[in-house]
Amino acid sequence: QKEVEQDPGPLSVPEGAIVSLNCTYSNSAFQYFMWYRQYSRKGPELLMYTYSSGNKEDGRFTAQVDKSSKYISLFIRDSQPSDSATYLCAMKPRGATNKLIFGTGTLLAVQP
Amino acid sequence: DVKVTQSSRYLVKRTGEKVFLECVQDMDHENMFWYRQDPGLGLRLIYFSYDVKMKEKGDIPEGYSVSREKKERFSLILESASTNQTSMYLCASVRTVNQPQHFGDGTRLSIL
Repeated sequence: QKEVEQDPGPLSVPEGAIVSLNCTYSNSAFQYFMWYRQYSRKGPELLMYTYSSGNKEDGRFTAQVDKSSKYISLFIRDSQPSDSATYLCAMKPRGATNKLIFGTGTLLAVQP
Repeated sequence: DVKVTQSSRYLVKRTGEKVFLECVQDMDHENMFWYRQDPGLGLRLIYFSYDVKMKEKGDIPEGYSVSREKKERFSLILESASTNQTSMYLCASVRTVNQPQHFGDGTRLSIL
């Protein structure tokens, strides 16, 4: 079983829809959670970064962490065609390790 | 903004060649990483470095080596390229272990 599971999609939604992207994980030691957006033929860019549980909002994006369920989500409100990309979740435990554990990514297509 | 620059966007090499991939970051980050990204497998860590001349193996170091002679530059070396090393290679950097990593735009490497 992978440490981090992410539905690969593709997920296709109409413009203006609310999008929910999710990852589950098995390691209860994970404390830092990230969402990256990756456009085709580009590197991942950081969207959201949260520590421990709770919500974090940035514009149209909201990240949620539920440590009791080992589940994280990224919500995109009023989705735009420019949001079409692959979304990667990543996480790491607290401590000295440098290693991030990534999900395999969800491909999102927002149809105009 | 952090800038991580990978020297080549696309590279085509032949089996058995020695291949060098270069990465430079401009934010004086201590930690640098090399990943490969393959469909369905996500990002896998090859090597990372936490200081000049210091390196540690990641999850898939076989067939690769690295060099970090200066803080801003981290090189990935394919000692004798093979077709199963055809992939997207991503470099990342971060100042401290509990901060999110910043990625370059990747090098798409084809080994013929």
